[in-house]
Order: sequence, then C-alpha cells, then structure tokens
Amino acid sequence: DAGITQSPRHKVTETGTPVTLRCHQTENHRYMYWYRQDPGHGLRLIHYSYGVKDTDKGEVSDGYSVSRSKTEDFLLTLESATSSQTSVYFCAISESSATTAYEQYFGPGTRLTVT
Amino acid sequence: AQSVTQLGSHVSVSEGALVLLRCNYSSSVPPYLFWYVQYPNQGLQLLLKYTSAATLVKGINGFEAEFKKSETSFHLTKPSAHMSDAAEYFCAVAPYGNNRLAFGKGNQVVVIP
Repeated sequence: DAGITQSPRHKVTETGTPVTLRCHQTENHRYMYWYRQDPGHGLRLIHYSYGVKDTDKGEVSDGYSVSRSKTEDFLLTLESATSSQTSVYFCAISESSATTAYEQYFGPGTRLTVT
Repeated sequence: AQSVTQLGSHVSVSEGALVLLRCNYSSSVPPYLFWYVQYPNQGLQLLLKYTSAATLVKGINGFEAEFKKSETSFHLTKPSAHMSDAAEYFCAVAPYGNNRLAFGKGNQVVVIP
C-alpha cells in the first residue's frame, strides 16, 4: 500500500469554526489531491498540488484553502466550517511516468461532521 | 472537459453470476481510464487501468475491462461474483497527459447469496 496517512480520521466541529485536515505521504510523489465524497456525487476534486507551493482549484473549491510547504504534506483548511461541508475527505497522490499514467493512490479518509 | 457516466447507483448480483458495470466517458483527447474499488470505511484501491496498450485489461480479484473507442466505453466485468466483491466501484478518466481524474458517481454492488 502507498504510504499515505490522514489526520484526524474523525472530527466533529461546530459551524463557524476553522478546521485543518492533514495529508502526509512517504512516497515522494509530486502530485497531491483533496477530494470530498458525498452520496450520489462520487468523488469531487477540491484542490490539488503539482509541487511545493504550487496548487490549483478543483471543481468544488469554494470555502476551502490548501497549503503545501513540503513535498510530503498537503493541508486542507475549512476557513469557517458549514453544515454543507459535512463529508468524507480523501487525500490522494500520484506521479507521472511512462508506466504510472497518473494513477492515483488514496488515503484512508477523514470523516468530518459539522454541527 | 472529460466526464464519466455510470448508470445504476445500486447493482444487485447473485453469487456466482456475471458482474457487469458499465462506464461511458467523454474526452477530447485519447484518455487513460481507471476502475477503482472502495470497501466500507476504506479509501479507494486501483482495480485496473487502460493506458493505450492492450484494449482488454486484466486487474486484481478476477476483474477485467475492455476499452472500446467507437463506443467510448470501458465496462468492468467479472465472470463469477463472490461475496467479497460487495463494494462500491468507481470509473475514472484522465485525458492523456493530464493529471486530474474525473470520477463517475459509482456503483454500489450487492452480492446475493
């Protein structure tokens, strides 16, 4: 299994509070991603990173920010949590080469509940 | 932009019967295609991938998928379902040279004894 950890694994927070989720990898992969998974929607990309300090928005980026100061860590921050951000959040990593074809490897997920 | 369609959010199959999950994609350039499986309370695992080599791709756990360009399809099959195949399955597409995947909404597979 790819070395990807996410912390915390579960979190309950109140509306309006800031929340930071952490993704840590030991594979030295260039690309890192944050997704949210909701019933009926599959996985939707929030933000991704293509290198240290290089990030870009995905399809559902409103209300979220990210930072990547080291290759191994990718942080997702909810500036002011809302109930609509209750979801399961997955981090993924990938590398580009002739054989990997950008296939992504996923972490175990973080279940976030905003009350 | 690329997109993926998976029909039928829930699929029931009898143990020992054929598993068939349909995936159709749209992409403006030749794509890479993937099937992932997700077991309860876990992350996604790669089942198999198509990268423009052989059109029939074999993956883990007895699954295989066939790329058909004329039909823009990449359907997943397994000849004989096992109880352990109960999971959610996602099809994903990435245009060649693009590191972003677009996922379908998934098929929840239930295996009936």
